[in-house]
Amino acid sequence: DAGVIQSPRHEVTEMGQEVTLRCKPISGHNSLFWYRQTMMRGLELLIYFNNNVPIDDSGMPEDRFSAKMPNASFSTLKIQPSEPRDSAVYFCASSPLFGYGYTFGSGTRLTVV
Amino acid sequence: GDSVTQMEGPVTLSEEAFLTINCTYTATGYPSLFWYVQYPGEGLQLLLKATKADDKGSNKGFEATYRKETTSFHLEKGSVQVSDSAVYFCALNSGGSQGNLIFGKGTKLSVKP
Repeated sequence: DAGVIQSPRHEVTEMGQEVTLRCKPISGHNSLFWYRQTMMRGLELLIYFNNNVPIDDSGMPEDRFSAKMPNASFSTLKIQPSEPRDSAVYFCASSPLFGYGYTFGSGTRLTVV
Repeated sequence: GDSVTQMEGPVTLSEEAFLTINCTYTATGYPSLFWYVQYPGEGLQLLLKATKADDKGSNKGFEATYRKETTSFHLEKGSVQVSDSAVYFCALNSGGSQGNLIFGKGTKLSVKP
């Protein structure tokens, strides 16, 4: 199993541009999570899906952030327009069931200049 | 709401020293407890877990025991190595309709040769 696959690994973009982060969960996992990690705030849950349905998006900071999961093998996190304060490492994780622990991807390091 | 409190870091130890990283939790019900490790430039990896009171999780020489009476899940290792240098996260999952893991802020461990 290739694990949770995120792309790109690094993204540098200019303020105001649209950014799309991608995630492929482990096959058979029904839950998918998007996290953001910064030095100041630590690890923050942005949104999670169960069976492709968004369950809790209360962590999404603003309307500029949106996430989709069109099928069981793919999810996107979009920021439009991006701002310098969005600079962070964004992690995707998946799990087979609640309570069983997650498998994390390697993350996307986003820099907005 | 549910929460996890970890000891503040950074923790600096010499090789072969004994390690303890304290973790306490607040939760309704009976959560599952986890320790994750994040090596530099990587995503979080599940290190060990315990799903009920008095369970001991162990992996790679690390251990943690689920103590319901003290609401604690302290991480220990008898003899640390330089390769154990990483950030360690305690987490809980209380199940039910939430489903997502709640993480502590992380404790950075540096092991010197």
